[in-house]
Order: sequence, then structure tokens, then C-alpha cells
Amino acid sequence: AQSVAQPEDQVNVAEGNPLTVKCTYSVSGNPYLFWYVQYPNRGLQFLLKYITGDNLVKGSYGFEAEFNKSQTSFHLKKPSALVSDSALYFCAVRDTPTGTASKLTFGTGTRLQVTL
Amino acid sequence: GAGVSQSPSNKVTEKGKDVELRCDPISGHTALYWYRQSLGQGLEFLIYFQGNSAPDKSGLPSDRFSAERTGGSVSTLTIQRTQQEDSAVYLCASSSLQGAHEQFFGPGTRLTVL
Repeated sequence: AQSVAQPEDQVNVAEGNPLTVKCTYSVSGNPYLFWYVQYPNRGLQFLLKYITGDNLVKGSYGFEAEFNKSQTSFHLKKPSALVSDSALYFCAVRDTPTGTASKLTFGTGTRLQVTL
Repeated sequence: GAGVSQSPSNKVTEKGKDVELRCDPISGHTALYWYRQSLGQGLEFLIYFQGNSAPDKSGLPSDRFSAERTGGSVSTLTIQRTQQEDSAVYLCASSSLQGAHEQFFGPGTRLTVL
């Protein structure tokens, strides 16, 4: 069974400061990890993914995420937060190989609030 | 359009009625997924379709829920004899089977059962 934990319900940060949204995972095989963002009354937007290779992956809107196999973590980061980054962020994982569809298992979400 | 589309965007129904929710995936995407997002439950997987293979129905919460995918494209999620606990946002996603299979989501259908 696969699972994802997002330990923080909410993260507050001032605009211009760096932000981190935490995620840890558990899978039986090799992890495929994702971050999605959800703005109010909208569906989920794909931000970035980790398959293999470099532990630091870059995505949309200046976001990046760091994969740490030993800590089974995939934290989302941004060097300088914007008020417009305020939204609900979901971490997700799947562990089956390419060519076979499978469900994503999502964390419970972290609400990011960026203030002036 | 280039993205996943869902209809209706909002549906209000009375307890006991049947509802149908529609999803149009991204053209060429082999896999199609349904999830449910409700307060206090987060995002729950319901069902997915992959090409002509038998769907994975392991997430459907009861036999009142069913889904089909016609011609490998459009999908319909049907909820029979709706209950108040079915109230949620129903999200559809599609993906190719290349690379990480990142799933692209539609805007969702907000279902309210009175």
C-alpha cells in the first residue's frame, strides 16, 4: 500500500520569504512523486514531478521540490513567495512502472497563505 | 479545448435521485481517472480506465456508483439513489502512459444532494 503525509494543515509565510511545504511518502516500489496546486473553486493543476535522476526538480511558477530517498520526503520549495501563491497544495505518489495506469494517492493537502 | 472538461459544473439533486457526471479527457490520453474531493475526506480515488483493459473499480464506495468509458474517450460516472453523503466535488483526470503518467485534472463537478 502507498501513502502520503503532509504534516502541516497550513503554512504561513510573508511575501518575498522562502517557503517550504512538507511531504513524506511510503511506497513498496520506486516512487513517482507529484505536486499539485488547487486554487479556490478550481481543479488541480500539475506543478512538478519526480521520476528518477536529479533530486532537485523544477516545475511551474518558480516552484521546485527536493527528493530525499533516505528520509522518504519530497518537500515543495520556492525561494521567494508571492501573494498569488496562496492556495491548497497536494503531494501525491504512485509506484507502478511506466505503461500501467494506476491511481494517485494524495496527501491531505496544505493550505499556503502568503501575506504582504 | 486542450484540457480535460467536465459537465455539469454544478449539480443539485434531491436525495434518492440518480445523477450522471460527464468527463471529456485530453485527446490521445489512454488512461482516465475519477476522484472525489469532500470536506474531511481529502481526495479519494474512485475508478480508472486504461485502454481496453477492465477498469479498476476498487475505490467505488458502494454499488450505487458505476462508471463507463465509451469508445475509449468520454466517461460517465453514475450515482444511483443519491444520498447526502455523496455531496462532494467529483474530479476527472486523464494521462498518457508515458513517463510518470502525470494526471491532468478537469475543473470538477460540484454535487449537492439535498
